[in-house]
Amino acid sequence: GAVVSQHPSWVICKSGTSVKIECRSLDFQATTMFWYRQFPKQSLMLMATSNEGSKATYEQGVEKDKFLINHASLTLSTLTVTSAHPEDSSFYICSASGLGAWGNQPQHFGDGTRLSIL
Amino acid sequence: AQTVTQSQPEMSVQEAETVTLSCTYDTSENNYYLFWYKQPPSRQMILVIRQEAYKQQNATENRFSVNFQKAAKSFSLKISDSQLGDTAMYFCAFQQGGSEKLVFGKGTKLTVNP
Repeated sequence: GAVVSQHPSWVICKSGTSVKIECRSLDFQATTMFWYRQFPKQSLMLMATSNEGSKATYEQGVEKDKFLINHASLTLSTLTVTSAHPEDSSFYICSASGLGAWGNQPQHFGDGTRLSIL
Repeated sequence: AQTVTQSQPEMSVQEAETVTLSCTYDTSENNYYLFWYKQPPSRQMILVIRQEAYKQQNATENRFSVNFQKAAKSFSLKISDSQLGDTAMYFCAFQQGGSEKLVFGKGTKLTVNP
């Protein structure tokens, strides 16, 4: 149980294009989803928290207009990297939690998306 | 703000042996949760074990167990009978009670040698 699917797993695109990453909870309803960024050999950095039907809460230093997050349903959240540039290249990971992300409802992670901007 | 410290960037262990990964954290709160996540080369984050701070009993999951020392703010992970598939990055994480956010340590790269 508690499977989170993230798509695509790897994307390469030209500078200036927009890229959408999907995060789906397959067997549970995710009231809260999280988006992380991970640089090589580093830990996960939380970018934003999204709750179904409401605006995402971004961490300090994360550009809201650059990283658009939509959590339209209890099973789907999307991250769109707008006008991507080489510095946006990174590994992006989503996680989801059901019925609130409290400690008794641990986060379950997707497989991640490797984004490469040329 | 809470911080999580993993003082061992890399560790190695022989197959079938036991290894302990260290984690300390800093908080003034009394209600919180602690986690160990595993990230193998495939990059997927996998929950290994979790501990509620209000529970004195150390959590165990098969070959994985923790040594939770609340007063010392220490949360180490012991892996018994290490297997080659245990090779991965291991992240310790803290979650304050009432908060949805996880605070991760920098990770420990564990290599299990045949």
